[in-house]
Amino acid sequence: EAQVTQNPRYLITVTGKKLTVTCSQNMNHEYMSWYRQDPGLGLRQIYYSMNVEVTDKGDVPEGYKVSRKEKRNFPLILESPSPNQTSLYFCASRLGTGEHEQYFGPGTRLTVT
Amino acid sequence: GEDVEQSLFLSVREGDSSVINCTYTDSSSTYLYWYKQEPGAGLQLLTYIFSNMDMKQDQRLTVLLNKKDKHLSLRIADTQTGDSAIYFCAESTMNRDDKIIFGKGTRLHILP
Repeated sequence: EAQVTQNPRYLITVTGKKLTVTCSQNMNHEYMSWYRQDPGLGLRQIYYSMNVEVTDKGDVPEGYKVSRKEKRNFPLILESPSPNQTSLYFCASRLGTGEHEQYFGPGTRLTVT
Repeated sequence: GEDVEQSLFLSVREGDSSVINCTYTDSSSTYLYWYKQEPGAGLQLLTYIFSNMDMKQDQRLTVLLNKKDKHLSLRIADTQTGDSAIYFCAESTMNRDDKIIFGKGTRLHILP
């Protein structure tokens, strides 16, 4: 089944404790993105990657890192999480630029206390 | 910068038509999208329209695009309880690495 998976689905952590949210897709997609969704703010792009070893900042990259060592995986790293990073995070992928069907993961709800 | 605006809430009676409206600012937008987010799930692409089209119909869904006014609408005919969700308008253009800009989402509530 074609899908985007994220882990964990739910995470409660404390300020400053490094964490990684994994994202994996099995569709051989080149283009992957991370978004955060906050009430009243909609979806905002954090980082995106057009291919392996190519990553770029989105609209709200501060406090986040990503890597794209292989095509299928695009982990989101929070080196020192803060409470303002409490949010719902979505990973998404699509075949490439110009492709319309963007597939979203199920979301990771992160709470930083 | 680029912006996509839509109202946050809409209530519609079951069986009526729902019309969700959206405006965008980037005149170079190439594609416009409607995504649906059901509770506890990620977004799912419902339909999209190329900027040189005025209308696209797909079963109960009708998308209307007024490029002059930069206005996009989604009409859902015979609204059902399963249509209850958040609907996101979005647009993209090749000028920005094909980045997709999302609106804040319209929560559609179905009244019995």
